[in-house]
Amino acid sequence: DAKTTQPDSMESTEGETVHLPCSHATISGNEYIYWYRQVPLQGPEYVTHGLQQNTTNSMAFLAIASDRKSSTLILTHVSLRDAAVYHCILLANYGNEKITFGAGTKLTIKP
Amino acid sequence: EAAVTQSPRNKVAVTGGKVTLSCNQTNNHNNMYWYRQDTGHGLRLIHYSYGAGSTEKGDIPDGYKASRPSQENFSLILELATPSQTSVYFCASGDGANSDYTFGSGTRLLVI
Repeated sequence: DAKTTQPDSMESTEGETVHLPCSHATISGNEYIYWYRQVPLQGPEYVTHGLQQNTTNSMAFLAIASDRKSSTLILTHVSLRDAAVYHCILLANYGNEKITFGAGTKLTIKP
Repeated sequence: EAAVTQSPRNKVAVTGGKVTLSCNQTNNHNNMYWYRQDTGHGLRLIHYSYGAGSTEKGDIPDGYKASRPSQENFSLILELATPSQTSVYFCASGDGANSDYTFGSGTRLLVI
């Protein structure tokens, strides 16, 4: 019962900008869109999250479609350290949440 | 700095033995979670908790128990460890939507 759909893998080159897509066609009005990334042998790392407006922080820019049925995580000037599995997750604001992860998108960065 | 700390980092256990994995968070978050991750697979939710005294079953609870004695601490208990429970276990804390969820560095468990 996956609520988000992401490509299995993507590839980019150091210094480029990467657009990681996520489809969430059945998103509810009170669900936030979260992005995490994970490298081998480490726990997932928070990247960003948003509800309706685009958001930006030191790690990434999150672009959310006006109908909220899709979003794109944009990484600029990627380096080898950005190679990871990126997960797009929905969380509703009920206060008590069960986070479940899908397979995510494996991002490979070439030198 | 707020953090989620897991102990031990590595553990070798014998089949049939009891194993306790510990997790401590300084985020003052209400929610805590236990996941396992097997090679080449994603994270799977075992148990979670909404606060001290509460535990809930996740997607794969069989063979595991959980204990939340305080806001800060959440333990995962394997009463009778089996080789199929060899995995990397991650603990996390969070406070519902619009807060960032923090994960620990993982506990690598080998059951022989």
